[in-house]
Amino acid sequence: DAKTTQPPSMDCAEGRAANLPCNHSTISGNEYVYWYRQIHSQGPQYIIHGLKNNETNEMASLIITEDRKSSTLILPHATLRDTAVYYCIVRGKGGATNKLIFGTGTLLAVQP
Amino acid sequence: DAGITQSPRYKITETGRQVTLMCHQTWSHSYMFWYRQDLGHGLRLIYYSAAADITDKGEVPDGYVVSRSKTENFPLTLESATRSQTSVYFCASSESTGGQPQHFGDGTRLSIL
Repeated sequence: DAKTTQPPSMDCAEGRAANLPCNHSTISGNEYVYWYRQIHSQGPQYIIHGLKNNETNEMASLIITEDRKSSTLILPHATLRDTAVYYCIVRGKGGATNKLIFGTGTLLAVQP
Repeated sequence: DAGITQSPRYKITETGRQVTLMCHQTWSHSYMFWYRQDLGHGLRLIYYSAAADITDKGEVPDGYVVSRSKTENFPLTLESATRSQTSVYFCASSESTGGQPQHFGDGTRLSIL
């Protein structure tokens, strides 16, 4: 699975959009980009994933560059409850590649 | 919609004791996983299972045993607990089709004295 690089921490003002970057320059053609977050003392929570196209759901948007070497998770209107560690993970589909490899993530602190 | 549940939420035991952590999911997902989370290491995969009666080792399997006699259950056993196994343990499950996300339980905080 490709390695990802994320900034260790970011701040965001409440109500503003939070844009969390991720670099995955060694991603291969069949690997997806996943985003999870972990709020203190809870299990990781799935947010969104994508392969090539941009994706949007009720939680967030995922923007993947055309060369697929980087992506951005966008929380459109951050709230204090969005304060968490956000993990960007790249993995293939099916079989043994179903396992996730978590890095150190980005600690997003939403400020009032 | 119960989802995935882990029990117990908290457990304190002594070195050398056997302890079993339970994981139950109601989605009929094929894949199930056990991770441990420690400061400085993030989440690391212990074991995973692709279906009932099919299990395989992850990154840190030593000292752990798993079984999967039923699709919905995936217990993790520490046969002789050691202090180094003090950690937070997370169970997860996912559908078998490619690209599907894993969904995690709330974790078991295990302390070994």
